[in-house]
Amino acid sequence: EDKVVQSPLSLVVHEGDTVTLNCSYEVTNFRSLLWYKQEKKAPTFLFMLTSSGIEKKSGRLSSILDKKELFSILNITATQTGDSAVYLCAVEKNSGGYQKVTFGTGTKLQVIP
Amino acid sequence: KAGVTQTPRYLIKTRGQQVTLSCSPISGHRSVSWYQQTPGQGLQFLFEYFSETQRNKGNFPGRFSGRQFSNSRSEMNVSTLELGDSALYLCASSKPNTGELFFGEGSRLTVL
Repeated sequence: EDKVVQSPLSLVVHEGDTVTLNCSYEVTNFRSLLWYKQEKKAPTFLFMLTSSGIEKKSGRLSSILDKKELFSILNITATQTGDSAVYLCAVEKNSGGYQKVTFGTGTKLQVIP
Repeated sequence: KAGVTQTPRYLIKTRGQQVTLSCSPISGHRSVSWYQQTPGQGLQFLFEYFSETQRNKGNFPGRFSGRQFSNSRSEMNVSTLELGDSALYLCASSKPNTGELFFGEGSRLTVL
């Protein structure tokens, strides 16, 4: 059975701190790993990672994938209160010629002033 | 470009009733997936439709069903509602051959 495990489940940090969110997975026929941010509404796409060791960066957020050790990390530097959200990791696999996406349970990040 | 639209946004039902939720994908997206989100379980995959055909199905009982129309709009139905069906139901559409999902704002179902 496909598994996507995120840690920690939740954390509270102060503005300006740097945080690292973890995502490990066990899936067959891996295709990509995706990160989403969910505030009160719909999850919004952050990154898609397909290759090991290549960092994806967007402003203060960055992410990297290790396909050998089957994990990814999402880093947020100089956190702001607007970063407070649930961060979801998902893994896409090839399934019968199509793609199937499995989500982790998420990491709830709270950034306090 | 309009995003994914889900209706209704909120609804309250009682045990034993049934409910139908609707999802209109982004124009040009032919794949529509449904997820159930609860605080303890995160996003659980329900099913995925492409060109009116169910391609993948998650581990949910037969009370949960769906369909997709020729214009790619999708509906999901839950029959004989149980208290545990209370959740946020999210629909997502995607372009062909990509795992990048575009989510709607969800339909929040409360079962009393």
